[in-house]
Formats: sequence, C-alpha cells, structure tokens
Amino acid sequence: EAGVTQFPSHSVIEKGQTVTLRCDPISGHDNLYWYRRVMGKEIKFLLHFVKESKQDESGMPNNRFLAERTGGTYSTLKVQPAELEDSGVYFCASSPLGQGVWEAFFGQGTRLTVV
Amino acid sequence: AQSVTQPDIHITVSEGASLELRCNYSYGATPYLFWYVQSPGQGLQLLLKYFSGDTLVQGIKGFEAEFKRSQSSFNLRKPSVHWSDAAEYFCAVGAMNRDDKIIFGKGTRLHILP
Repeated sequence: EAGVTQFPSHSVIEKGQTVTLRCDPISGHDNLYWYRRVMGKEIKFLLHFVKESKQDESGMPNNRFLAERTGGTYSTLKVQPAELEDSGVYFCASSPLGQGVWEAFFGQGTRLTVV
Repeated sequence: AQSVTQPDIHITVSEGASLELRCNYSYGATPYLFWYVQSPGQGLQLLLKYFSGDTLVQGIKGFEAEFKRSQSSFNLRKPSVHWSDAAEYFCAVGAMNRDDKIIFGKGTRLHILP
C-alpha cells in the first residue's frame, strides 16, 4: 500500500512567484493535515481537512496560503505570492476517519525555498 | 501557553552507547505525549505515545520513554544506539479532547559516531 506522497520533494522559487504543493493521502483516509516547519522552528499545524471540508484552518498564517481538497482525495496548498519567510518544509499527513492526528501517516515533506 | 521544549538541538553518541533525548512540556490539561522520528528522506514516523497508565512506554525500534508528571518531562531513551538511528527526533504533545492539533518541539538531531 502506498504511503502519503508529496510533490514536489523540493521547490526553489523567487519571491513573488506562486507555488503549489500537492499531497496524495493514503487511499480511503478522510483526514488530511498540513503542517509546516520553518527553518529552526517547531513543526506547526496549518489545517485539517475531513474529506473535502476544512475542519480547522486556524494555523494558516495569512491569506497568501490557499488549501484545497477537491473531491476529498488529494490536496493542494498554494502559496501566492511567496515570501522569503515561507521557506521551510511542508508536511502532509492522513488518517482514517475517527482516528486522531497522532495516528496519521506523514509524508516525507516538500522543502520550499523562496529566494 | 502550550509548548514543548527540546533543549538539545544536536546530540552525538557513539554506536552502541546509550541515548537519552530530553523533552519538557507545558500544557494546561492532561496531555497526550509523543515522540516522532524523521530519518533522511523519510516522513515523520511515530515512535511511541503516552496516553495514560504505565508511565514507561515502549515504542518501535527499541525506544522507550518515561512520563514524569512532577517534572513535566517525557524523555526518550535507548540502551544501545545503532548507526541507523541517526535522524531527527521530535517530541510532541496533544490534547485529550482530541482536537486534532499536536504541538511539536523544535527537534533534536542525533548523530552517531562509528
């Protein structure tokens, strides 16, 4: 069974550009989470989808970040326009409905560098 | 405020030596506690968790952790490390009401000397 897959694994973009990160959860997992680790800081919660609905987006830093999960399958996280402070590693995780995030499987992360 | 402190950013131990990674937390409610590991090129993997009961919990890969409420600590231990244990380790805390947020520490990177 495939795990949580994130694309791309690395992305380098210039300040002001747009970047879209993708997460393919484990098939059948209704919970999908996005977390972010800015360099030298903690891994922080961004948002939580249950199927296609945003259950909690309290961790989204500002309106330059847009997350979607069309059809309740894969999810995208768009940053537009990107700023230098957006650099970091973005993690996605998924779990079956009824299970908490600590029971989630994490992807390997997308390392985003904004220059 | 809720927080997790991992005081050591880097730890270096020799292969075969024992290991203890420190974690202290600040949390208003009774916490769920976790340790995760991220090996190079891999995703975060749950090593072990504490919810209640026995304060010494066993995890995968030979790791264990002890919850000490009086010290607000949840230190991770392994009696004998292997070169494959070189990775970054994250302590985390969550709520018993399962609000689906967990708070991570900044991580400790473990280096293994041959």
